[in-house]
Amino acid sequence: SAVISQKPSRDICQRGTSLTIQCQVDSQVTMMFWYRQQPGQSLTLIATANQGSEATYESGFVIDKFPISRPNLTFSTLTVSNMSPEDSSIYLCSVQPGGAYGYTFGSGTRLTVV
Amino acid sequence: RKEVEQDPGPFNVPEGATVAFNCTYSNSASQSFFWYRQDCRKEPKLLMSVYSSGNEDGRFTAQLNRASQYISLLIRDSKLSDSATYLCVVNTGRRALTFGSGTRLQVQP
Repeated sequence: SAVISQKPSRDICQRGTSLTIQCQVDSQVTMMFWYRQQPGQSLTLIATANQGSEATYESGFVIDKFPISRPNLTFSTLTVSNMSPEDSSIYLCSVQPGGAYGYTFGSGTRLTVV
Repeated sequence: RKEVEQDPGPFNVPEGATVAFNCTYSNSASQSFFWYRQDCRKEPKLLMSVYSSGNEDGRFTAQLNRASQYISLLIRDSKLSDSATYLCVVNTGRRALTFGSGTRLQVQP
């Protein structure tokens, strides 16, 4: 299965600032997915990032708040913009390298906004 | 109604016990099904895929009932190391996964 390097692993940020999270995959993948896991909750899909096109956002998430880049088939970034304490959460990227199973997750970014 | 529903638990069981988790999903067009395990402060990791014929991996048995839109996970001879949150996960064909809220298991010595 694919190996994902996600960074930073954690950060504490001031409200109103932005944080960019990076995911690097050790193989080429068509789609990368960005999830959010709020404290005590399960994972919620933010958006799907395709190389060479705009990301597809889920209901409740917008590009201005969570801009995504996907410059090539092994890398993606998610930016959390103009942060507020409500954005405190774990953010995870995920890929499905191939086949009907085997979705792999990055180790997550634990974000605290103060 | 949530797309994937699970009993949140916690399930507190003694070592050696057998424990079963259940999950229901709402989208009848769902195509693939998984159980993931998530340890505290860690990312989810695939435990096993779930097939219509049922499948077993050591102490773990997964079952799928498409007619009832129901998935189960059975853990036999529970170990302390099985303590974690178990996530029922469904792929509806959009390539991204839909997660249940998770069932917390605590195995007691």
